[in-house]
Order: sequence, then C-alpha cells, then structure tokens
Amino acid sequence: AQSVTQLGSHVSVSEGALVLLRCNYSSSVPPYLFWYVQYPNQGLQLLLKYTSAATLVKGINGFEAEFKKSETSFHLTKPSAHMSDAAEYFCAVSSNTGNQFYFGTGTSLTVIP
Amino acid sequence: DSGVTQTPKHLITATGQRVTLRCSPRSGDLSVYWYQQSLDQGLQFLIQYYNGEERAKGNILERFSAQQFPDLHSELNLSSLELGDSALYFCASSVTDRGLYNEQFFGPGTRLTVL
Repeated sequence: AQSVTQLGSHVSVSEGALVLLRCNYSSSVPPYLFWYVQYPNQGLQLLLKYTSAATLVKGINGFEAEFKKSETSFHLTKPSAHMSDAAEYFCAVSSNTGNQFYFGTGTSLTVIP
Repeated sequence: DSGVTQTPKHLITATGQRVTLRCSPRSGDLSVYWYQQSLDQGLQFLIQYYNGEERAKGNILERFSAQQFPDLHSELNLSSLELGDSALYFCASSVTDRGLYNEQFFGPGTRLTVL
C-alpha cells in the first residue's frame, strides 16, 4: 500500500526566501511521486513528477524536488519565493501498476512581502 | 486553462437527492479520472475510465457511480446524498490510461453543497 505524509499544513516564508515543503512516502513497491499545486478556486496543476529516472526532478515555476530513497522523502524546494507561489501544494504517490493514487493532506504556502 | 471542462460549477441540493456531474476531457484524451476534495477527507481518488471502460477504482462509495460515453465525456452520479458528500469534485484527463503515474490535467471542479 502507498501513502504520503506532508509535514506542516501551513508554511509561511518571506518573499525571496527558500521554500521547503516536506513530503514523506510509504510504498511497498517503487513509487511514482508527484507534486501538484492548487491556486485558489482552481483545479490542480502538476508541478513535477518522479518516475524512477533522475532523483533530482526539476519542475515548472522554478520548483524542484529530490527523491531520497534512504529517507523515503520527496521534499519540494524553490530557492526564492515569489508572491505568486502562494497556494496549496499536494504531494501524491502512485504505484507502477498505476491503479491507485493517493494525495497527501496538503500544505498551504503563504508568502509574506 | 487545462482544457478539461466540468459542469455545473456549483450545485446545491438536499439530503436524499441524486445529482449528476459532467466532465469533458481535453481533446484527444481517452482517460477520465474523478476526485473528491473535502475538508475532512482531503483529496481522494474515486475512479478512472479509459475509452469507456472502468480502469481503476479508489475510495468510491457504492452510492456513487460513473460512466464514460462514446464521445469520451464522463458523468459522476451521486445518489442518496448525505451532508458529508458536500465537497469539491474534480475531473481530470490524460491521453493514455497511465495518468495515475504520468500526468493528469484537472478541470476547475464542481462544488456540491448538500443541505
């Protein structure tokens, strides 16, 4: 069975500061891992995905995430936060059979000017 | 704009009633996925259809059913509605049947309120 845990339901950073959103996964098989972003009153948009290729994954809008098997983590980072990054971020996991998909509980990112 | 459309945008109904939510996937996408987002349950995968056939099933209640039509649009039917069914229901689509471990494109959602 797969699951993801997002530590911190709310994260606040200053504009220009490092963004770090944490995600730990649990999977009995090699996982596929994703980060999605949800802006207010909108659907979800894929930021990046890990599908067993390079462990450092670069996504859109300057975000990246590193798959660390030893730590079962897939944390999302961005070197410098912009006001437009304020949104809800979801980590998700799927198995390579692709028949199940689990989201984390989400982390709300606030960017302080 | 992802290219996925959902109607209606908002739906208000009473307990015990039945509603139908509609989703049109992006042009060329064969898979449709349904998700429920609620305050207490978070985001949950409900079900996937690929080219008219059910392909994967998540935490979908027996009171809920879905289908995908020959023109590839999909409908999610919710019956015997309860207060706890109030949620945002998202539809997503992908080209292949592998959207659950590839990329899905999400619609704007239908907000269901059960009174």
